[in-house]
Amino acid sequence: DGGITQSPKYLFRKEGQNVTLSCEQNLNHDAMYWYRQDPGQGLRLIYYSQIVNDFQKGDIAEGYSVSREKKESFPLTVTSAQKNPTAFYLCASRPNRDLPSSGQYFGPGTRLTVT
Amino acid sequence: AQTVTQSQPEMSVQEAETVTLSCTYDTSESDYYLFWYKQPPSRQMILVIRQEAYKQQNATENRFSVNFQKAAKSFSLKISDSQLGDAAMYFCAYRMNSGNTPLVFGKGTRLSVIA
Repeated sequence: DGGITQSPKYLFRKEGQNVTLSCEQNLNHDAMYWYRQDPGQGLRLIYYSQIVNDFQKGDIAEGYSVSREKKESFPLTVTSAQKNPTAFYLCASRPNRDLPSSGQYFGPGTRLTVT
Repeated sequence: AQTVTQSQPEMSVQEAETVTLSCTYDTSESDYYLFWYKQPPSRQMILVIRQEAYKQQNATENRFSVNFQKAAKSFSLKISDSQLGDAAMYFCAYRMNSGNTPLVFGKGTRLSVIA
């Protein structure tokens, strides 16, 4: 089945540790996105990538890093510099050739808890 | 910067009744797209409906329709014949018509459906 995979669904880490969240898609999509969701805050953009080996910071990039070495993969690292890392993280993608009016395709999300 | 505002954090509706969720946005662009996403308890984001700003006709998808007022920068969602499965978080989103620019989301409205 084609789609976006985020693993694991739940992730627990100790404070001070870096952690990498996985996002893989087999939809042949060019653009990929990372959002953070907190209660009452909606979805806020962390990073996005329109092509391989290129990415741009979103509104809340501090304390996060990404890489885009393959079209299918866009991992997000939450570093120890991120002050409040506990949140729900959503990955999304869309193809460059798709209609501009189409929305983004979302993965199932990863709930990260840091204690 | 573009912003999206959802002024109703929570709404409720009786089963089979109609409910309208509000959304306003701020942009200096004339060419853009607007979306409503649904996030049920599973937290999977589901595209409900989309509207192209250059179209005057309001979009409809079965029981879901929008009231798009471009001059007022308003984009409300009407759900007719509400069903228990409509209970979810609803997010309004905006995208400028330029490449793969990310979606900008509002903070969401939690809709409860009362049997």
